[in-house]
Amino acid sequence: GESVGLHLPTLSVQEGDNSIINCAYSNSASDYFIWYKQESGKGPQFIIDIRSNMDKRQGQRVTVLLNKTVKHLSLQIAATQPGDSAVYFCAENRGAGNQFYFGTGTSLTVIP
Amino acid sequence: KAGVTQTPRYLIKTRGQQVTLSCSPISGHRSVSWYQQTPGQGLQFLFEYFSETQRNKGNFPGRFSGRQFSNSRSEMNVSTLELGDSALYLCASSRLQTDTEAFFGQGTRLTVV
Repeated sequence: GESVGLHLPTLSVQEGDNSIINCAYSNSASDYFIWYKQESGKGPQFIIDIRSNMDKRQGQRVTVLLNKTVKHLSLQIAATQPGDSAVYFCAENRGAGNQFYFGTGTSLTVIP
Repeated sequence: KAGVTQTPRYLIKTRGQQVTLSCSPISGHRSVSWYQQTPGQGLQFLFEYFSETQRNKGNFPGRFSGRQFSNSRSEMNVSTLELGDSALYLCASSRLQTDTEAFFGQGTRLTVV
């Protein structure tokens, strides 16, 4: 299927440190990407997006980097806070409407 | 501005029954997509509607269906429920036809017993 993954990668960081969450996407035709944050019991929350004609985009405390050559996406969170603890997903759009393919997710735990 | 609203939040059904879930998109958004989220399979695309037309469909059996109304509200229906249909069903709304921010609702937690 398009989404595989029984194993959820985990990342633990100290409060105040920077976090980097990585994502490898599968289709070179993907032209739009979104990072989502999902807390327990809630729906995914939009964090930041990037289009394929860019390689970097910055938001508030977050930066997304896109490397199309190796089909890699990363989310950098500056000065990570306990409220950043959640599962983070990257989602790719292949240009066919608003259908997104999601990565397996990474569980981020911030240690106070 | 209200977000995406899904109802009900929780649902318990018996095998063989059918269920209808509802999604009200953000005002002004015309695209509604549905996803199934399970621990084993992650987030998987079900289908997408734009202006009352289904534009994309994921790899799910015909028991899963949906529709969109003229006010952009959408419903999805699952017939002949199976235990494996237990999941969090998420709805996302987008303003444009493609390549635009998709905002999710809180989801409907369906448990089939």
